[in-house]
Amino acid sequence: DAKTTQPNSMESNEEEPVHLPCNHSTISGTDYIHWYRQLPSQGPEYVIHGLTSNVNNRMASLAIAEDRKSSTLILHRATLRDAAVYYCILIGKGAQKLVFGQGTRLTINP
Amino acid sequence: NAGVTQTPKFQVLKTGQSMTLQCAQDMNHEYMSWYRQDPGMGLRLIHYSVGAGITDQGEVPNGYNVSRSTTEDFPLRLLSAAPSQTSVYFCASRSRWPNTGELFFGEGSRLTVL
Repeated sequence: DAKTTQPNSMESNEEEPVHLPCNHSTISGTDYIHWYRQLPSQGPEYVIHGLTSNVNNRMASLAIAEDRKSSTLILHRATLRDAAVYYCILIGKGAQKLVFGQGTRLTINP
Repeated sequence: NAGVTQTPKFQVLKTGQSMTLQCAQDMNHEYMSWYRQDPGMGLRLIHYSVGAGITDQGEVPNGYNVSRSTTEDFPLRLLSAAPSQTSVYFCASRSRWPNTGELFFGEGSRLTVL
């Protein structure tokens, strides 16, 4: 299964946009890019996913590079409740062994 | 729907004791998996299953057994607990069809082995 690389930590200010990067240089054509976040003392929760085109939902936006070797999760206006660990993972056709990386720990300053 | 339900939420064991962490999902998901998360660390895959009667090892399977007799349940067994197994355990499930199926996680089971 393809692996992803994310920065260990990032910091941003409240009410500012946050761009969380993820590199996946060995992505295959059928791999979907999924993002999850884990709030303190909770289980991970789904945020967004995409294949080739940029995606928007009520939580965030996902920007996917044209060559699909990287993607960026965008929180348009961060709040203190967005402080969490964010994970990027590739889920392909017939995916079985779903391995998470270390994720990015996002700190939001008031 | 209840989603993914894990029991117990907290458990303290002594070294050498055995126990089973329960995981149940009511979404008819074919895929289920167990992860462990040590303090300040990411998720590590222990075992996974793509359907009833089918299980396979993840990244860190040693010391754990699983079985999948029904679609709904995927219990994780610790045969002889060790302090190194102190961790938070998360169960997850997803539908394999369509391929876009997201992972649903339980709330976690916090295990301490003394």
